[in-house]
Amino acid sequence: AQTVTQSQPEMSVQEAETVTLSCTYDTSESDYYLFWYKQPPSRQMILVIRQEAYKQQNATENRFSVNFQKAAKSFSLKISDSQLGDAAMYFCAYRGSRNEKLTFGTGTRLTIIP
Amino acid sequence: DTGVSQDPRHKITKRGQNVTFRCDPISEHNRLYWYRQTLGQGPEFLTYFQNEAQLEKSRLLSDRFSAERPKGSFSTLEIQRTEQGDSAMYLCASSLAGTGGYEQYFGPGTRLTVT
Repeated sequence: AQTVTQSQPEMSVQEAETVTLSCTYDTSESDYYLFWYKQPPSRQMILVIRQEAYKQQNATENRFSVNFQKAAKSFSLKISDSQLGDAAMYFCAYRGSRNEKLTFGTGTRLTIIP
Repeated sequence: DTGVSQDPRHKITKRGQNVTFRCDPISEHNRLYWYRQTLGQGPEFLTYFQNEAQLEKSRLLSDRFSAERPKGSFSTLEIQRTEQGDSAMYLCASSLAGTGGYEQYFGPGTRLTVT
């Protein structure tokens, strides 16, 4: 079974600074997808960024980028120029290419310090 | 289109009662998913539908839980004889089947409290 581990329950960063959230996963599959989802307080979960395992190039979406290390099964999220609106729970998630379900980590609560 | 909606947003019930939640997916989406999220944890997969067919169920979905998606549109999740351990946020998501890392769009969730 696939597992996703987020070892940082809480992180904080000064506004405008950069922060990196860690995620590791375990799988025996070679083809899969990885996601970072953001869940603001009392609001619904939204997709931040996704990465296809077959792509060597790291995904980037504006201020959000990932460091995907397939051999190490590591998938970290870097948030540049942090903004107050980035405060939320961030979940790393895995989906196998032949599977529909998302497997989530336990989340990292990100606080932005003004 | 306003996204995935869920009703009710909050439900308080007494142990042993039955509850039913509704999820309305994004209109053109043919896949619908249910997840459960307990405090301090990430969402856990319960089940998913493609159109009206329920294609996968998690072991978490005990025989007290039943989900339906008549006509491949909205879905309901019923919990019979609720237990305190059922207290959680129940999330619905939908997606459009396709190749690649297609996104699952989540609703706001239904928070269930069993007293």
